[in-house]
Amino acid sequence: GAGVSQSPSNKVTEKGKDVELRCDPISGHTALYWYRQSLGQGLEFLIYFQGNSAPDKSGLPSDRFSAERTGGSVSTLTIQRTQQEDSAVYLCASSQPGLARKETQYFGPGTRLLVL
Amino acid sequence: AQSVSQHNHHVILSEAASLELGCNYSYGGTVNLFWYVQYPGQHLQLLLKYFSGDPLVKGIKGFEAEFIKSKFSFNLRKPSVQWSDTAEYFCAVKSEAGSYQLTFGKGTKLSVIP
Repeated sequence: GAGVSQSPSNKVTEKGKDVELRCDPISGHTALYWYRQSLGQGLEFLIYFQGNSAPDKSGLPSDRFSAERTGGSVSTLTIQRTQQEDSAVYLCASSQPGLARKETQYFGPGTRLLVL
Repeated sequence: AQSVSQHNHHVILSEAASLELGCNYSYGGTVNLFWYVQYPGQHLQLLLKYFSGDPLVKGIKGFEAEFIKSKFSFNLRKPSVQWSDTAEYFCAVKSEAGSYQLTFGKGTKLSVIP
């Protein structure tokens, strides 16, 4: 497709359940990012993948959050034992790193997660 | 750590009014600067960006922004807003030497009254 795609678009779950969110980046983009958008907190960085390098996990809020990227393309963000404070919109972005690290990130439509 | 401040939480304008949204960042090194827009029910879209060169950058839909390095600012402007500009606007910064992530401001909600 032309843009970043994410699924599902909406997810309602019960507290304590695990959820998986999927991101399909723009074809050819080697960098992939996850962000979280929540009321009062704005947009927060979660994790970054670049090619085959070890991911930058510095933004993950707890060890209940993990992400993987298979084959350098699709990524899955997993939240274990969900809590109500995990309710947010989870955004994925991709980019093609350029010279001198000048790059533009393009965002997907997000997954709106509601934990009851 | 870098941070981004957007001074206005909610701006209400009448159509044809001029717009200026403030954005200031804190980081001493070289930065890349972005404005993203999120229209109601839509995803974040790039409005414009600054990497280097002319500090006055033009984006889509008549928007422009000026990078003033001495003030650590990257304010967004439009001479005459339209009802269709109603959206939330986010300023974002990425350092060229640090991590690859974008640091976002809290956003400014713009409401344009017909």
